[in-house]
Amino acid sequence: AQSVSQHNHHVILSEAASLELGCNYSYGGTVNLFWYVQYPGQHLQLLLKYFSGDPLVKGIKGFEAEFIKSKFSFNLRKPSVQWSDTAEYFCAVNTGRRALTFGSGTRLQVQP
Amino acid sequence: GAGVSQSPSNKVTEKGKDVELRCDPISGHTALYWYRQSLGQGLEFLIYFQGNSAPDKSGLPSDRFSAERTGGSVSTLTIQRTQQEDSAVYLCASSLQGQGYEQYFGPGTRLTVT
Repeated sequence: AQSVSQHNHHVILSEAASLELGCNYSYGGTVNLFWYVQYPGQHLQLLLKYFSGDPLVKGIKGFEAEFIKSKFSFNLRKPSVQWSDTAEYFCAVNTGRRALTFGSGTRLQVQP
Repeated sequence: GAGVSQSPSNKVTEKGKDVELRCDPISGHTALYWYRQSLGQGLEFLIYFQGNSAPDKSGLPSDRFSAERTGGSVSTLTIQRTQQEDSAVYLCASSLQGQGYEQYFGPGTRLTVT
């Protein structure tokens, strides 16, 4: 069975700092990859997704992620975070089985 | 258009009682999913419906959990004889078949079993 690991459980950054959140998955076949974000008091929203093609994908609010197949990774990045980016971030994988497998989440706290 | 809606938003129940949680998917979405989000943990898949096919129940944690989807739209998740470990946020998601499995989530139902 596939699994998703998010090694950073809680990240604290100052505004304008750069962000990189790690995501690794275990599955040898074709995968669809997602990052979801959950702002305080709100529901999960799709940040970006990778199905095929260019491994560098851009999402909303200046986020991007790079799929590195050889490393089984799909790390999320943002060059300069804002206080409004404070949220919990979830990496997820779909392998053709229709449900998503989620990581345990990374809580990002951006200090003004 | 309207997103996925869930009701109630919060539910407090006593141990041993049955509860029903409701999900209204996005209109036209043929796939519907239930997940559970427990404190400090990620999202755990529970059950998946696709059109008229038999549901994928492989994520249900026990036979106390069941779900149905009427008319290919609204779904109800039922938990019988609730236990304290059932306390969690129950999330519903829907997706449009053939759209590469992009799922849209509802706001969730926070269930507290006392």
